[in-house]
Amino acid sequence: DQQVKQNSPSLSVQEGRISILNCDYTNSMFDYFLWYKKYPAEGPTFLISISSIKDKNEDGRFTVFLNKSAKHLSLHIVPSQPGDSAVYFCAASATGTYKYIFGTGTRLKVLA
Amino acid sequence: EPEVTQTPSHQVTQMGQEVILRCVPISNHLYFYWYRQILGQKVEFLVSFYNNEISEKSEIFDDQFSVERPDGSNFTLKIRSTKLEDSAMYFCASSDGRPSGSPLHFGNGTRLTVT
Repeated sequence: DQQVKQNSPSLSVQEGRISILNCDYTNSMFDYFLWYKKYPAEGPTFLISISSIKDKNEDGRFTVFLNKSAKHLSLHIVPSQPGDSAVYFCAASATGTYKYIFGTGTRLKVLA
Repeated sequence: EPEVTQTPSHQVTQMGQEVILRCVPISNHLYFYWYRQILGQKVEFLVSFYNNEISEKSEIFDDQFSVERPDGSNFTLKIRSTKLEDSAMYFCASSDGRPSGSPLHFGNGTRLTVT
């Protein structure tokens, strides 16, 4: 039972344009969401988070949007840079639990 | 910036042997985790640990696995009698608070190869 899904395994975007990475979840108890970036041979690096009491959180070039009714979140990267090329994971947690559930990841390629 | 460090970076072992994967979490963090990623697949939760005991574990984390915080700095994952399907990247993570409020900070992983 995959509670967190990233339906696009890969995405290619031109440098300078917007990258939009999507994530869907099924568990309505999830109340905290994270996005991670992962380069080969490295661990996931935390990018940005959002609590379920918000619908948007912004940090520099990165913005996360949360639509609770649709159980959907997205990560926007503007402008995209070649160094953003990596695998992006969303993760979710529910109050009362001691874990994050990760999605399957989306490989982003930013073309120069 | 403080880091989570993991050793070794790569471990090769024969099926049936025991391995210990080591982690040094960020020093003021209180919650510790092990995750694994089988090649090309998703990052899977194994276990979380707080206050010297397991907080939560997945169905993957059976009697073959154990965790320990033997001193004030190390956090270890022991896999007894390794199987071929245990081959994966194992990631240690730590956080300064509970999930649902605190992000996890990951190490660079140990690649375990069981032959």
